[in-house]
Amino acid sequence: DAKTTQPNSMESNEEEPVHLPCNHSTISGTDYIHWYRQLPSQGPEYVIHGLTSNVNNRMASLAIAEDRKSSTLILHRATLRDAAVYYCILSASGGSNYKLTFGKGTLLTVNP
Amino acid sequence: NAGVMQNPRHLVRRRGQEARLRCSPMKGHSHVYWYRQLPEEGLKFMVYLQKENIIDESGMPKERFSAEFPKEGPSILRIQQVVRGDSAAYFCASSPGNIYEQYFGPGTRLTVT
Repeated sequence: DAKTTQPNSMESNEEEPVHLPCNHSTISGTDYIHWYRQLPSQGPEYVIHGLTSNVNNRMASLAIAEDRKSSTLILHRATLRDAAVYYCILSASGGSNYKLTFGKGTLLTVNP
Repeated sequence: NAGVMQNPRHLVRRRGQEARLRCSPMKGHSHVYWYRQLPEEGLKFMVYLQKENIIDESGMPKERFSAEFPKEGPSILRIQQVVRGDSAAYFCASSPGNIYEQYFGPGTRLTVT
């Protein structure tokens, strides 16, 4: 399975944009890129997903590099409630795209 | 619309006992997934079920673990003869189909003493 690499931690200030990077240099052509986040003592929460084009939803934007070897999750205005561990995940290729494999993720701290 | 519900939220079992974890998917969702999160690790896929069928159990330990999703009622993850290494958070997720968004429950934290 293709792997992802994320920084262990990042810090941001409230109401400022946050760019969370993810490297996935071994991504295959059929792998989707998913982002989930997990607040302390809670289950993961879906944030966004994409394949090739940039994606926007009410929570965030996903910018995917043209060669698809990296992507960036963008939170446009961080709030204290965005403090969480953010996971960048590639869906397994070959039809088992439901099989999410969570790594260590990036711990985002938001300062007031 | 209620989210994914899991109970109990916390479960303490002695070594050798059985643990039963329940998951009620979101209304209208017929696909259920179980994940395990060991201390200091990320979530790992265990099993994928649809009503009355196990679709993929490739992440389940070969012994002592079983899962079901009956026609009526919640999905059950059953762990027989628990050992200390089974202590973990177990998360259930559901989706309306085999799509790209999984909705997770709050988890059951199992402690084996």
